[in-house]
Amino acid sequence: DAGVTQSPTHLIKTRGQQVTLRCSPKSGHDTVSWYQQALGQGPQFIFQYYEEEERQRGNFPDRFSGHQFPNYSSELNVNALLLGDSALYLCASSFPRVPDTQYFGPGTRLTVL
Amino acid sequence: AQSVAQPEDQVNVAEGNPLTVKCTYSVSGNPYLFWYVQYPNRGLQFLLKYITGDNLVKGSYGFEAEFNKSQTSFHLKKPSALVSDSALYFCAALSYGNNRLAFGKGNQVVVIP
Repeated sequence: DAGVTQSPTHLIKTRGQQVTLRCSPKSGHDTVSWYQQALGQGPQFIFQYYEEEERQRGNFPDRFSGHQFPNYSSELNVNALLLGDSALYLCASSFPRVPDTQYFGPGTRLTVL
Repeated sequence: AQSVAQPEDQVNVAEGNPLTVKCTYSVSGNPYLFWYVQYPNRGLQFLLKYITGDNLVKGSYGFEAEFNKSQTSFHLKKPSALVSDSALYFCAALSYGNNRLAFGKGNQVVVIP
């Protein structure tokens, strides 16, 4: 049973650039959530996708956008990167019912120089 | 909005001694509570959850947690700590109808041989 996978593992970008992170959910799951974990902090909710639509959104600017594909995989896009966007980006998958356990991938470490 | 507090930054415990990691929550309505563990440069691993029913919840790797509604707490416990339990532990909460996890800032657990 494949767990949640994310790519790439690490990424280095410069300010102003754009980045795309990818996530494949755990087998059988159709809901994908994205979280940002800054160094020394707990994860912060960015947004959640179900049925290819954004269902919920946290307190993040419009520079953060996403997409979900028919196979339930998802992308997180960040435009106009800032130094403060440096963080571990975590993807979690679940079923859409509340409450349901969210299972996390290993994360993508983004460094903005 | 829901919020979670983990009052201690670091918990030090001798191997073989009981381990407790504290968590308090603020959630409108019935709370759904989770514990996750994070090892260095890894994603979050699910340990256990409280949804309803018995206040004592048993989870993976010998961990358990006690839900206390009057004290709005959900402390994580392990009767006998192992060196391999050294990691970062996060408490998280959902509220009904809201599928975004709110995390505490995390507790670093150090088990001393």
